[in-house]
Amino acid sequence: DQQVKQNSPSLSVQEGRISILNCDYTNSMFDYFLWYKKYPAEGPTFLISISSIKDKNEDGRFTVFLNKSAKHLSLHIVPSQPGDSAVYFCAASVLRGSQGNLIFGKGTKLSVKP
Amino acid sequence: KAGVTQTPRYLIKTRGQQVTLSCSPISGHRSVSWYQQTPGQGLQFLFEYFSETQRNKGNFPGRFSGRQFSNSRSEMNVSTLELGDSALYLCASGQGNRFADTQYFGPGTRLTVL
Repeated sequence: DQQVKQNSPSLSVQEGRISILNCDYTNSMFDYFLWYKKYPAEGPTFLISISSIKDKNEDGRFTVFLNKSAKHLSLHIVPSQPGDSAVYFCAASVLRGSQGNLIFGKGTKLSVKP
Repeated sequence: KAGVTQTPRYLIKTRGQQVTLSCSPISGHRSVSWYQQTPGQGLQFLFEYFSETQRNKGNFPGRFSGRQFSNSRSEMNVSTLELGDSALYLCASGQGNRFADTQYFGPGTRLTVL
C-alpha cells in the first residue's frame, strides 16, 4: 500500500518553461514533506521542504505547494534548466511519532530539453 | 561543512556472507537513518538511530541491523546475504528535530550479492 504516490513516472519540459511535479499521499498524519533530486549513482539531494502548517514554500526557482484537504503537493520549477534533468522524489514523514522515517514516492524523471 | 560520507562506495559479496557499511553524518547531526534503494521497491526505510539508540525501524528482517557510536557515526550490518539484498544503501543524517527534520543523504554504497 503506497502512502506516497507520484503518478507520473516521467515528464518532459522545454528549457525556460515551468516544470510541475505532482505528489499525492494517503496518510493524514504526515506533517512534513520534502522534495529531493537524484542523479544516477548518487544519493538524493535535498531541494525544499514544507511543514503541514504552511501551504506554500519558496526557494529561488523552486516552489512547493501543499493542499492538505486534497492530500496533494506539487513542486514548481521556474524557469526550468537542462541541469534540472534528474529523478525527483517526494517524501513525507510524521515528525511527532516516527522521526527519521521518510516515506518516498517512486519518483518522476524530469527531462528539460534545450 | 562536510557532507554525509559513506564507505565503501562499492562492495561485491557472495550469498551467505555478511557485510558492514559505514556512515559519517554531517557534523552536529545526531540522527542517522538508513535506506535501501532497489529498482522495484524504490527507497525504503531501514532504521534510524539517535544518540546511540535505535529510535525507529522499518519492515526489514532481523538480518539487517545497525548501531550508532558516541560520535554519531553509524554502521549497518547485513548477515547471511541473499541475492535480493543487492541494492544501493543510503545513509541520511539530520538533527533529529521533531518539528522540521530535513535529512541529508550520502552518496550511497552499492552492494552486489553474487
